[in-house]
Amino acid sequence: DAKTTQPPSMDCAEGRAANLPCNHSTISGNEYVYWYRQIHSQGPQYIIHGLKNNETNEMASLIITEDRKSSTLILPHATLRDTAVYYCIVRAVNRDDKIIFGKGTRLHILP
Amino acid sequence: DTEVTQTPKHLVMGMTNKKSLKCEQHMGHRAMYWYKQKAKKPPELMFVYSYEKLSINESVPSRFSPECPNSSLLNLHLHALQPEDSALYLCASSQGTGAWEQFFGPGTRLTVL
Repeated sequence: DAKTTQPPSMDCAEGRAANLPCNHSTISGNEYVYWYRQIHSQGPQYIIHGLKNNETNEMASLIITEDRKSSTLILPHATLRDTAVYYCIVRAVNRDDKIIFGKGTRLHILP
Repeated sequence: DTEVTQTPKHLVMGMTNKKSLKCEQHMGHRAMYWYKQKAKKPPELMFVYSYEKLSINESVPSRFSPECPNSSLLNLHLHALQPEDSALYLCASSQGTGAWEQFFGPGTRLTVL
């Protein structure tokens, strides 16, 4: 089973920051937080991952709480092309590790 | 080339047919994956190949038979499928099974009549 809890859907106005929350209260010390997204009719796409420090790349920022029990993915200036299902995944990186997708958050960017 | 390609894009088959799905990557990745995704559900892992050897089979019925002929190619052979097997079949690859990022193809939409 997925180890994360996300709201089923969210709306965000175009041009505004989209903040997607994720709860992972049972996360272990060797588990990372990953985010993927799936735009309609496409395969999932990796966005970002982190262990305990905040991370930023060209797509998004990842904020992880100090106790690591929750995190927030931030899309700083959402566009219509960011409309997708966003999956928060907890994953240990070892030899036989697997990605287990939860139900995700369906993000609608409104014009 | 950072692309995973899958053919065909769409496939309709009867329950007595035999068909195959094909996946290809030229990124030098040594791990390849098959996922199944039903409508409005998250992807579910089916098989993992590492260095061309099957390393994970998530208790998938034998009517699905994976094959990895070489490091760039992954096939999924289908035989005697049921209508409930209709789904989007996604292929992915990564540098290794512990790599940060998996690259997904666009999927094959399978309909079983």
